[in-house]
Amino acid sequence: AAGVIQSPRHLIKEKRETATLKCYPIPRHDTVYWYQQGPGQDPQFLISFYEKMQSDKGSIPDRFSAQQFSDYHSELNMSSLELGDSALYFCASSLEGLAIDNEQFFGPGTRLTVL
Amino acid sequence: DAKTTQPPSMDCAEGRAANLPCNHSTISGNEYVYWYRQIHSQGPQYIIHGLKNNETNEMASLIITEDRKSSTLILPHATLRDTAVYYCIVIWTNNLFFGTGTRLTVIP
Repeated sequence: AAGVIQSPRHLIKEKRETATLKCYPIPRHDTVYWYQQGPGQDPQFLISFYEKMQSDKGSIPDRFSAQQFSDYHSELNMSSLELGDSALYFCASSLEGLAIDNEQFFGPGTRLTVL
Repeated sequence: DAKTTQPPSMDCAEGRAANLPCNHSTISGNEYVYWYRQIHSQGPQYIIHGLKNNETNEMASLIITEDRKSSTLILPHATLRDTAVYYCIVIWTNNLFFGTGTRLTVIP
């Protein structure tokens, strides 16, 4: 079965650079979620989109922005990168995202390292 | 979303049942109990969820107390591949707020 695809899998950037992470949800899934997991920490919810509209916002820094496109893929844009942004970034997708009674399918993550 | 409390770590012998407890004493009537697990830096994996009734699927069983203030995830026959961090999450929105979870180690 198709899974959530994230690219790139690994990314190395310098401080103050920008980065773009991409997420391709499972076909027909209409909701995308982004999570950040720092070293030794638990995943933290950043932001979510349902049918190309932002549906909720968590602890996403103002330097980050995201969007969901007409084909339902999503991109997380990160600017003015800081050392503390080094983390695993997970994307998840679900079907009928406004319904509570559903599960999220997670991608393998993008490991971002900021030097 | 209601706060959850889980033991930080547990061991379980391979082939035995693993019973992972979760306290959620401030849960409200419309909040679901979800369980996810994360195997060493992989993406979290959905296990099971429930509202009021006990639930069972091919991976696990979820037992929710009648007052809904606590629940137990049961892995009936733990294998080495079940070694992971297990998260109990109580939510009324779609967004998952992960706590510290229980690190389950399955011992040969």
